[in-house]
Amino acid sequence: AQSVTQLGSHVSVSEGALVLLRCNYSSSVPPYLFWYVQYPNQGLQLLLKYTSAATLVKGINGFEAEFKKSETSFHLTKPSAHMSDAAEYFCAVRYPRGANSKLTFGKGITLSVRP
Amino acid sequence: NAGVTQTPKFQVLKTGQSMTLQCAQDMNHNSMYWYRQDPGMGLRLIYYSASEGTTDKGEVPNGYNVSRLNKREFSLRLESAAPSQTSVYFCASSESTSPTGVFFGPGTRLTVL
Repeated sequence: AQSVTQLGSHVSVSEGALVLLRCNYSSSVPPYLFWYVQYPNQGLQLLLKYTSAATLVKGINGFEAEFKKSETSFHLTKPSAHMSDAAEYFCAVRYPRGANSKLTFGKGITLSVRP
Repeated sequence: NAGVTQTPKFQVLKTGQSMTLQCAQDMNHNSMYWYRQDPGMGLRLIYYSASEGTTDKGEVPNGYNVSRLNKREFSLRLESAAPSQTSVYFCASSESTSPTGVFFGPGTRLTVL
């Protein structure tokens, strides 16, 4: 069965520090991969997606993620955290590709940003 | 272009009551989904519909039924609500055959007493 693992439930960084949120998927076939962000009391917003083009994917708000097939990973990074980045982040996979594919989420990571 | 809309935004039910959560999308997407979100559990798929006229069970379908009324609308029904169904429910839609993301509605916060 398809699955995605997000290690840890909470990450805390200082403002201006590097943000690294980890995501690993389980599959022998590279899926489509996504990162979503959820701000308090809001719905989910797509940050970025990997669909087998460039392995380094840039998203909104300065975030980027790198697909590494050898590590089955899709970690999310941002060079310099901002207070407004505090939110919950979800990694998701979608496969099989094409019709009838559905999105499976990790359990999410809460990012806190300290002044 | 409203995207994905859900009604109601909030609902309180008593155990055993029934209700239907409504969802509509105006993006001409083939696929629609219902997820529930619980603390520490992420989002779990309840049911999905790959196209008009088809529905399939997801990870946690027990206690729920769905109807894909037409291409735009996908409703979720709780026949006899239980406290374990207290959750935030999200409807979503996507293109079924292109590698796009899944677009989410604003959610319905349901409390079952």
